Amino acid sequence: DTEVTQTPKHLVMGMTNKKSLKCEQHMGHRAMYWYKQKAKKPPELMFVYSYEKLSINESVPSRFSPECPNSSLLNLHLHALQPEDSALYLCASSQSSGRAGETQYFGPGTRLLVL
Amino acid sequence: QKEVEQNSGPLSVPEGAIASLNCTYSDRGSQSFFWYRQYSGKSPELIMFIYSNGDKEDGRFTAQLNKASQYVSLLIRDSQPSDSATYLCAVKAAGNKLTFGGGTRVLVKP
Repeated sequence: DTEVTQTPKHLVMGMTNKKSLKCEQHMGHRAMYWYKQKAKKPPELMFVYSYEKLSINESVPSRFSPECPNSSLLNLHLHALQPEDSALYLCASSQSSGRAGETQYFGPGTRLLVL
Repeated sequence: QKEVEQNSGPLSVPEGAIASLNCTYSDRGSQSFFWYRQYSGKSPELIMFIYSNGDKEDGRFTAQLNKASQYVSLLIRDSQPSDSATYLCAVKAAGNKLTFGGGTRVLVKP
């Protein structure tokens, strides 16, 4: 089973709202990722958690706040977003074994619209 | 200079033909190379990965890697209309970070 699930599928929020995106995997993977993807662009890495610790933060604005409550769950808390933050937010996971060919598996994404 | 480069396309191929996609990368320390397919509005889906020089075949797909030339390619044989999508090349050095190319849009015409 190579399934990563994400909720919600779609989200519309105002610039003063607080919302959270959720991601879950049950593959025993120990690395989890948040990506942002704008239309006709490749995914852009935001955060990486390895063994529930934040290992990479790609200089993401503080209005995005990641959280990894346990090895299966990853959240992205959103607050005071801007319209330019509207995008597809993708979660991915991988084993974090360090082996060549270690693959990241993507969830279906949350399409976010900020009004 | 972009770290991973792909021709944006569209690459238009007739049904049944071979589609050839190319990707170059700048980091000589890159260790693993991945091809993902992404349909419009959907998330990336892994097609295959390669980490040794040479060819690797999986069904109608063949990945080719030449580390000396810093070049990786994907061949799609017997292209089908369902292969119409954007193909993302992704490169991994040490650690967990994947660097994506801009993607090549492929159109397979019946």
